[in-house]
Amino acid sequence: GAVVSQHPSWVICKSGTSVKIECRSLDFQATTMFWYRQFPKQSLMLMATSNEGSKATYEQGVEKDKFLINHASLTLSTLTVTSAHPEDSSFYICSAIPQPGLAGAGELFFGEGSRLTVL
Amino acid sequence: GEDVEQSLFLSVREGDSSVINCTYTDSSSTYLYWYKQEPGAGLQLLTYIFSNMDMKQDQRLTVLLNKKDKHLSLRIADTQTGDSAIYFCADRSNTGKLIFGQGTTLQVKP
Repeated sequence: GAVVSQHPSWVICKSGTSVKIECRSLDFQATTMFWYRQFPKQSLMLMATSNEGSKATYEQGVEKDKFLINHASLTLSTLTVTSAHPEDSSFYICSAIPQPGLAGAGELFFGEGSRLTVL
Repeated sequence: GEDVEQSLFLSVREGDSSVINCTYTDSSSTYLYWYKQEPGAGLQLLTYIFSNMDMKQDQRLTVLLNKKDKHLSLRIADTQTGDSAIYFCADRSNTGKLIFGQGTTLQVKP
């Protein structure tokens, strides 16, 4: 099946630093990717919709200056957590929808997730 | 806004069938999904169903959708200890966004 890869899978950083997380669709092109956040023992919360070549659409309550999203190509979206603080520690997961017309139009694939720990 | 609800916990014995239920409120739902998450891991797509279908079977998995009642269920036949995990139901609206339920923890006892 289609593969979505995230990097890094785990990162530990000091408070005040910025961390970039990459989400790549390895064998298909994705015009739209989504970024989710999951706290321990909780469900996934949609943070933003990332559209290739345009600005991301953020969900209510998500600070766009805090969580910078760039979708520079049809296979790569990045999430940068700027000036990270301990409360930003979480599991961040991306997902990607194959371009319309490609096989598996109903399928939506997730990356393995990136665990961020801010000290 | 849209909402997806699931029961939080289900315990079954190995070899029994498991049925995990989900309700949703979105009227513009296009697809409904079931994902499995093991501890510390990402999400694994188990199966999905187009909103105009009422049933889909895939090996041990059977998905039933009652669109009128906005009720979705996942049946796992012959449940194994390896099926122990958290199962998320998700609704995909016509914008492509997924709204997740809280997740159902499935415990399979030997």
